Amino acid sequence: QVQLQESGPGLVKPTQTLSLTCTVSGDSISSGGYYWSWIRQHPGKGLEWIGNIYYSGKTYYNPSLKSRLTISVDTSKNQFSLRLSSVTAADTALYYCARVAFYGSGNYSPIPYGLDVWGQGTTVTVSS
Amino acid sequence: QSALTQPASVSGSPGQSITISCTGTSSDIGGYNYVSWYQQHPGKAPKFLIYDVSYRPSGVSNRFSGSKSGNTASLTISGLQAEDEADYYCSSYTSTSTPYVFGTGTKVTVL
Repeated sequence: QVQLQESGPGLVKPTQTLSLTCTVSGDSISSGGYYWSWIRQHPGKGLEWIGNIYYSGKTYYNPSLKSRLTISVDTSKNQFSLRLSSVTAADTALYYCARVAFYGSGNYSPIPYGLDVWGQGTTVTVSS
Repeated sequence: QSALTQPASVSGSPGQSITISCTGTSSDIGGYNYVSWYQQHPGKAPKFLIYDVSYRPSGVSNRFSGSKSGNTASLTISGLQAEDEADYYCSSYTSTSTPYVFGTGTKVTVL
């Protein structure tokens, strides 16, 4: 079955860049059948969508994070990654990667209708 | 884009039915039939429960059902069981600057 696994440092210093990778198994990112997403959850809080990426490199970002955010894909490794720069304590959260089911064209106005497979999540703490 | 509004908590006794509401606007819930629901047990990743307002992915119990009226979507859990105690989140496609938005989350307690 499809599995997603997040990896990366659990501790990042303020002002530095947070980098996470999601490794996909059981499905091929380059098949183009899904988008791939990052979501985070602050301690004791709800879910916050960070951004999506398609195998072609097309991305959608949360406007509140866009100036600091880069999501990239490596189809040869079947991975996608998150980079969030200039982090502060407010970026301390549990970070999830997920697969996004969508309708329509992946490269033109896709309509996401569900995050159907999730990774187990990885906790990132921003602290000096 | 503001989060969709859900009640903070809902409770019920085993065997009962409960309903969780999710209120948005005409730019999200009211404008599209792309509402989804997720169940999250403590310390676990969310689980995909409902999509397109009322459709269940394969393997999801038929005790979970979804509906929508105007700008409000609802998730009903029938025959409430102890294992249903979890947090529940709605989500909707939106025509604003983000492709979708999550709800604020509802904690379901089985009494």
